[in-house]
Amino acid sequence: DAKTTQPTSMDCAEGRAANLPCNHSTISGNEYVYWYRQIHSQGPQYIIHGLKNNETNEMASLIITEDRKSSTLILPHATLRDTAVYYCIVRDVYNQGGKLIFGQGTELSVKP
Amino acid sequence: GAVVSQHPSWVICKSGTSVKIECRSLDFQATTMFWYRQFPKQSLMLMATSNEGSKATYEQGVEKDKFLINHASLTLSTLTVTSAHPEDSSFYICSATLGAGVYNEQFFGPGTRLTVL
Repeated sequence: DAKTTQPTSMDCAEGRAANLPCNHSTISGNEYVYWYRQIHSQGPQYIIHGLKNNETNEMASLIITEDRKSSTLILPHATLRDTAVYYCIVRDVYNQGGKLIFGQGTELSVKP
Repeated sequence: GAVVSQHPSWVICKSGTSVKIECRSLDFQATTMFWYRQFPKQSLMLMATSNEGSKATYEQGVEKDKFLINHASLTLSTLTVTSAHPEDSSFYICSATLGAGVYNEQFFGPGTRLTVL
């Protein structure tokens, strides 16, 4: 079973920051937080991951709370092409073959 | 990032036939591949984990005799849906990785849409 809870859907205005929350209150010490997104009828795309420090790459920023029980994915300037389902996943990278268990995700709609 | 391809991208078949779906890692050697299925408006469900040269590990509730997985090389895994029925119609997605570890990402294929008539 997925270990994360996310809002079912969110809207964001084009050009504004999109902040997608994720709750993972049962995360264990060796589990990382991963974010993927899936544009309609395509395979998922990796966005970012982190353990306990905040992370940033060319796509997004990941803010993880100090207790690691929740995190927020930030798309700094959302575009229409960012409309997708965003999945927050906790992953035991060294055990269970590093497999990903997907929850229901958040359907983000970026509107003009 | 690394590229994973799937073939075919879509397939329509008659009930009772078997369908083979290929998953290839194009520019890296994948020690582990994963197979997922996704029904409309639902999330991805992991079906099985496949390691090169060994038998696949199936998730609970997935019939291994129904969904045959072969991972004969480091760049190719195949999923065969045997005696397909309409309820097997779904979007099948594979992913490939160099292996376990935080730096070994899973790269996903574009998916194969199976429709069983």
